[in-house]
Formats: sequence, C-alpha cells, structure tokens
Amino acid sequence: DGGITQSPKYLFRKEGQNVTLSCEQNLNHDAMYWYRQDPGQGLRLIYYSQIVNDFQKGDIAEGYSVSREKKESFPLTVTSAQKNPTAFYLCASSSYGNEQFFGPGTRLTVL
Amino acid sequence: AQSVAQPEDQVNVAEGNPLTVKCTYSVSGNPYLFWYVQYPNRGLQFLLKYITGDNLVKGSYGFEAEFNKSQTSFHLKKPSALVSDSALYFCAVRNTNAGKSTFGDGTTLTVKP
Repeated sequence: DGGITQSPKYLFRKEGQNVTLSCEQNLNHDAMYWYRQDPGQGLRLIYYSQIVNDFQKGDIAEGYSVSREKKESFPLTVTSAQKNPTAFYLCASSSYGNEQFFGPGTRLTVL
Repeated sequence: AQSVAQPEDQVNVAEGNPLTVKCTYSVSGNPYLFWYVQYPNRGLQFLLKYITGDNLVKGSYGFEAEFNKSQTSFHLKKPSALVSDSALYFCAVRNTNAGKSTFGDGTTLTVKP
C-alpha cells in the first residue's frame, strides 16, 4: 500500500530532552511538511521541504529541527529549546501543486 | 502573503438537511484551493480541490465546493448530511508558485440524527 507513516503514535518527553519523530512516505512525493496542532486549533507549519537536502522554516520553527537526507524520510526533532512541545504533530507529503497526504499523527506529551 | 478564513467555528445541521461550511481566501495570483476532513485523533484526509476549470468541484463522500472568484470564496457543500459527516473540516489555499499551503482554523461540523 502506498502511504505516509508516522512513528511513534504516542511519545513522552522529559524536561530538557530532545526527541525525534519519524515520518516516511512511499508515494514518491518531492515535498514533505511538518505541522503542529494544538487542541481546538488549526494547523501551524513547522518546516517543509520541496527537495532532498533542502528545507525551509515555517511559521513556528523555533525549538525544532529537521533533515531531508532521503526523498522518503523527513524526521522532526523537538529540542529542549521548545518550551511547550505538548501537541499533536502531523506529517504530510505532496507532489508539486497537488493535495497533501497526511500521516496518522504523533501525540507528544511532556512529563 | 496568503490567508484563509473559516468564519464559523461550529456548524450544526440535522441529518438529511443540506450543509454548508464557509471558506474565504486571500492570495496573489491564481489560487489552488483544497478541503480536508479530520476525524478525532487522526490525520487529515483530502476531500476535493480547485485548480482550474469548472467552478463547481465534486469530491469524495458526496461533497462539492463552488469556487467564486469575485467573492474569493470556496464554500463546501453537501445536499444531504449524514451523522457520519460529523468531523473537523479545514480549507487550505496556495498560489501557483508557493511551496506551502495555508490552512484555516477549521470548522467543527455536527450532524444530529
């Protein structure tokens, strides 16, 4: 099956700890995106990448980092600099100009 | 800059009645417009899009949307609502040269039996 996967489904972070969220797609899409969703709110763009080895900051990039070493993979690291990381994180991919395909999400909770 | 407004946080309709979820946008150049649906604790699912051509776009699950350039609107509609349509709906826009889409804040649709 073609699709986009995210892991883990649930993640718990201790204060001062970096954590990495995985996102993989086998749709052969060039573009990939990371969004943050807080309860009762819309999607806010963290980072996006239109091509391998290149990525751009979105609206709320502070405290996050990404890499795009392979077309299929776009991991997101939530660093200790992100002071309020508890949220639902969504990864998506698309071919140019077309609709985005979303993964099932990772729910991150700070302990 | 590009932006999307979904003026209603909540829309309530009775099952079998028509539904409308509103969306207006602002973008330079020609817009690409999208509607997505999200069920609780899930990722978003694509419903339909307008790129060019016919102003009335038909999508998944009986949904349709009408592109109105003069009113810069792209309202989502369905002739007869189902209880299973209850979910969070997002409108999104991008211009032809943008690398990213901008999403609205979402509208919660509740269909009551």
